[in-house]
Amino acid sequence: KAGVTQTPRYLIKTRGQQVTLSCSPISGHRSVSWYQQTPGQGLQFLFEYFSETQRNKGNFPGRFSGRQFSNSRSEMNVSTLELGDSALYLCASSRTKETQYFGPGTRLLVL
Amino acid sequence: AQSVAQPEDQVNVAEGNPLTVKCTYSVSGNPYLFWYVQYPNRGLQFLLKYITGDNLVKGSYGFEAEFNKSQTSFHLKKPSALVSDSALYFCAVDGSNTGKLIFGQGTTLQVKP
Repeated sequence: KAGVTQTPRYLIKTRGQQVTLSCSPISGHRSVSWYQQTPGQGLQFLFEYFSETQRNKGNFPGRFSGRQFSNSRSEMNVSTLELGDSALYLCASSRTKETQYFGPGTRLLVL
Repeated sequence: AQSVAQPEDQVNVAEGNPLTVKCTYSVSGNPYLFWYVQYPNRGLQFLLKYITGDNLVKGSYGFEAEFNKSQTSFHLKKPSALVSDSALYFCAVDGSNTGKLIFGQGTTLQVKP
């Protein structure tokens, strides 16, 4: 069974731009969660989607948004990028709430 | 508020020796506890979890963890370390079965030949 896939793997943007990251979950998994990983803050929860509905949200500004499609694929969007948004963005999928399986991540560099 | 602490930034072990990576947590209610490993430039790999039942949980690659409710700990262990175990290890908790994982800061495990 294929794992969680994330595209693109690497991305360079400039301040003020916006970016969209994509995540395809493991087949049969309906929950998709997003996390931000930085050296300073560690791993932080962004949001979780299930059946196209956001079920949980972390403490991030409204510039961070996401959505989920009917095939469970998910996208997250960051508008008006700031230097501090440079991070590894990880997507995880799960069949239930118990075990989340992570993708390889998208490394975003904001210049 | 839920929290996870990994008190050691780095653990150094000789190959063949037992290893322990420590984790303590703070949640209200019954915790769901997880260990993940991250290799350089990779995502997180699931190792094992505790939901309920036996306090000793066995996971992938020979790792195990012991849930201790009185000490609110969930330490990761392996009887005999391999050089290939060298990586960054994260403990995580979901205190309310919400699907929202709270992670510790991570512990770098260095296994030397």
